[in-house]
Amino acid sequence: AQSVTQPDIHITVSEGASLELRCNYSYGATPYLFWYVQSPGQGLQLLLKYFSGDTLVQGIKGFEAEFKRSQSSFNLRKPSVHWSDAAEYFCAVAPSGGGADGLTFGKGTHLIIQP
Amino acid sequence: KAGVTQTPRYLIKTRGQQVTLSCSPISGHRSVSWYQQTPGQGLQFLFEYFSETQRNKGNFPGRFSGRQFSNSRSEMNVSTLELGDSALYLCASSPSTGTGAYEQYFGPGTRLTVT
Repeated sequence: AQSVTQPDIHITVSEGASLELRCNYSYGATPYLFWYVQSPGQGLQLLLKYFSGDTLVQGIKGFEAEFKRSQSSFNLRKPSVHWSDAAEYFCAVAPSGGGADGLTFGKGTHLIIQP
Repeated sequence: KAGVTQTPRYLIKTRGQQVTLSCSPISGHRSVSWYQQTPGQGLQFLFEYFSETQRNKGNFPGRFSGRQFSNSRSEMNVSTLELGDSALYLCASSPSTGTGAYEQYFGPGTRLTVT
């Protein structure tokens, strides 16, 4: 069964500093990969996605992510965070060959922005 | 385009009762998926409907059921509510073809509290 690990439950970053959120997946083949963000009391918003091709993908709100097959990772980055980036971030995978389990999500990383 | 809408946003029910939640997908999206989000288990896939048929199902008991109507609107029903069913229930819709089928757009969720 596929699984997603987000090793950091909480991360605190100063406003204006760079950010990297880690995501590792376990799956037999290369899955489709996603990052979502959830603000308090809200649903999930799709930040970016990877299906194939260029391993560096750009998303909304200035976020990017890099797929590294050798490390089974799909880390999310932002060069300079803003206070409005404070939220919960979820990495998710879907089987590229189709499957019965929908998206499989990591447990999430709670991002705190210090002024 | 209007986003995914879910009604009601908040619900309080008593143990043993049943509840029905509603989801209207983005116009043109024919796939609707449901997820349960709890602090302990995180985001878990319940089921997916496409063209009024359940296409995929997660690992939840039969008390959890759903359906989809010809206009792609979906409902999920939980019977004989238990305290552990207290959660945020998220609905997501997606385009039904190719890799678009994996791009899920989430609604704000319905917060269910079982007392």
